[in-house]
Amino acid sequence: AQTVTQSQPEMSVQEAETVTLSCTYDTSESDYYLFWYKQPPSRQMILVIRQEAYKQQNATENRFSVNFQKAAKSFSLKISDSQLGDAAMYFCAYRSGKYAGNNRKLIWGLGTSLAVNP
Amino acid sequence: DGGITQSPKYLFRKEGQNVTLSCEQNLNHDAMYWYRQDPGQGLRLIYYSQIVNDFQKGDIAEGYSVSREKKESFPLTVTSAQKNPTAFYLCASSIKGTTGELFFGEGSRLTVL
Repeated sequence: AQTVTQSQPEMSVQEAETVTLSCTYDTSESDYYLFWYKQPPSRQMILVIRQEAYKQQNATENRFSVNFQKAAKSFSLKISDSQLGDAAMYFCAYRSGKYAGNNRKLIWGLGTSLAVNP
Repeated sequence: DGGITQSPKYLFRKEGQNVTLSCEQNLNHDAMYWYRQDPGQGLRLIYYSQIVNDFQKGDIAEGYSVSREKKESFPLTVTSAQKNPTAFYLCASSIKGTTGELFFGEGSRLTVL
């Protein structure tokens, strides 16, 4: 069974600095998708960034980028020029590339709480 | 604007009572999901539905029930059989056959008194 591990329950960063959140996963599949979701204090989850496993190029979305290391099964999120609005819970998630049955479920990490200090 | 609407945002219930949480989406998404979120435990899948009139149990379905009579609606009933129902509940939807990006509602906080 697939698992997702976020080893940092809490992180903090100074405003305008860069922070990296870690995520590792375990799978025997070669086709899958990885996601980072953000849950701000309002508690509505929002997709931050998505990575397809077949793509070697790391995904980027403005100040957010990932370091996807497929062989190491690592998927870290880098936030550049951190802003106060980045303070949130960040969840890493995995989804199999297969469409049948329960393979459509997302497997979630336990989250990393990010504080941004002014 | 398109999105997912969950109601109520806060709900209190007495032990032994059933309660239904509403989830409506106007995104024309095929799949809908219910998650439970507890501190330190991340998100756990309760039920999901990929098409109208069909749904599957997730990892923690005991004590919950759902229906999917319309594409737009996926209500969750927390029954009296659920031993520890106090939690934050999140509804989500996605387009079938895509990479699986989920769109979430704002959540419902259920407290059992």
